Amino acid sequence: AQRVTQPEKLLSVFKGAPVELKCNYSYSGSPELFWYVQYSRQRLQLLLRHISRESIKGFTADLNKGETSFHLKKPFAQEEDSAMYYCAASGGGADGLTFGKGTHLIIQP
Amino acid sequence: DTEVTQTPKHLVMGMTNKKSLKCEQHMGHRAMYWYKQKAKKPPELMFVYSYEKLSINESVPSRFSPECPNSSLLNLHLHALQPEDSALYLCASSQGWGINQPQHFGDGTRLSIL
Repeated sequence: AQRVTQPEKLLSVFKGAPVELKCNYSYSGSPELFWYVQYSRQRLQLLLRHISRESIKGFTADLNKGETSFHLKKPFAQEEDSAMYYCAASGGGADGLTFGKGTHLIIQP
Repeated sequence: DTEVTQTPKHLVMGMTNKKSLKCEQHMGHRAMYWYKQKAKKPPELMFVYSYEKLSINESVPSRFSPECPNSSLLNLHLHALQPEDSALYLCASSQGWGINQPQHFGDGTRLSIL
């Protein structure tokens, strides 16, 4: 069965500290990986996708096929990063997303 | 227009009512999705439409009936729902082909069953 695991339900760090949100996946074939973010009272929105290798809002995520991981990182956390973060996987094309349970990130001043 | 629009934002209905949720996108996307999200849980896939044809039904009870009248619209018809069906219903769309194309989500319809 397709599965996405985010081991941390809650992660609290101080402003300026590095952040790493963990994501591991178990998926047949070559899944496509995404990070979605949901700020308070806002819609779910795409943060990163694995194929583009881009940096958005200072966040990066590297796909490690050997470890089946797609961890999200940011070197210096900012208060506006506080949100719910979901890692998600898809089989591509018009396939649905399988979400992890999410990590609630709190950045303390 | 880069948004997915869902109506209504809130819906309260009794177990014997019939209602519909609507979703619209004008991004030229050919895949549209319905997800159900319970409080403090991740979204769970319900249905996928690809090129206006139902391609995935995740064993959803028949009291939920999806419909895709055209490439821009997606409906979810509700009938005889149960209290446990109270949740946030999210619509999403994506290009439907190509590599690593993301899904764009609407704000959702918050449904309460009395």
